[in-house]
Amino acid sequence: QKEVEQDPGPLSVPEGAIVSLNCTYSNSAFQYFMWYRQYSRKGPELLMYTYSSGNKEDGRFTAQVDKSSKYISLFIRDSQPSDSATYLCAMSETGGYNKLIFGAGTRLAVHP
Amino acid sequence: DSGVTQTPKHLITATGQRVTLRCSPRSGDLSVYWYQQSLDQGLQFLIQYYNGEERAKGNILERFSAQQFPDLHSELNLSSLELGDSALYFCASSVAPEEAQYFGPGTRLTVL
Repeated sequence: QKEVEQDPGPLSVPEGAIVSLNCTYSNSAFQYFMWYRQYSRKGPELLMYTYSSGNKEDGRFTAQVDKSSKYISLFIRDSQPSDSATYLCAMSETGGYNKLIFGAGTRLAVHP
Repeated sequence: DSGVTQTPKHLITATGQRVTLRCSPRSGDLSVYWYQQSLDQGLQFLIQYYNGEERAKGNILERFSAQQFPDLHSELNLSSLELGDSALYFCASSVAPEEAQYFGPGTRLTVL
């Protein structure tokens, strides 16, 4: 079993929809949680970075972490065709050895 | 643009050869990380350096080595290349080990 599980999709939604992306994990030592967006053949772009449990909002993006359920989510409001990309969740244990463990990534397509 | 630069963008080489990938971190970042992204394995952590010292190792093959120089740029050396080494290689950097990682555009390696 992988440490981080993420549904690879693809996920297809109409423009303006609310998108929900999720990851589950098995390692209870994970403390830092991130979401990256990756366009085809480009480097991952950091979207959200959270520590421990709770919610964080940045514009149209909201990240949620539920450590008790070992479950993290990314919500995208008012989705746009430019949001079409692969979304990767990533996690790491406490600082000092910041090795990121990535999910497989979910491909999202937002159609006009 | 994350501020992390990687050269070259593309590399095509033959089995058995040796190549060097180069990374310049964002200004002020002391930590450098190397990741490999392949279709079947996803994004995998290879190695981390902090201010010139090796800090953490992932599933990096013995044929691979890296170093971080006094000016903080880093190089990843891949030797005795095999077909299975064909992948995207990303460098990331952060201010400190527990801080968010920013990825470069990657080097696409093709081994023929």
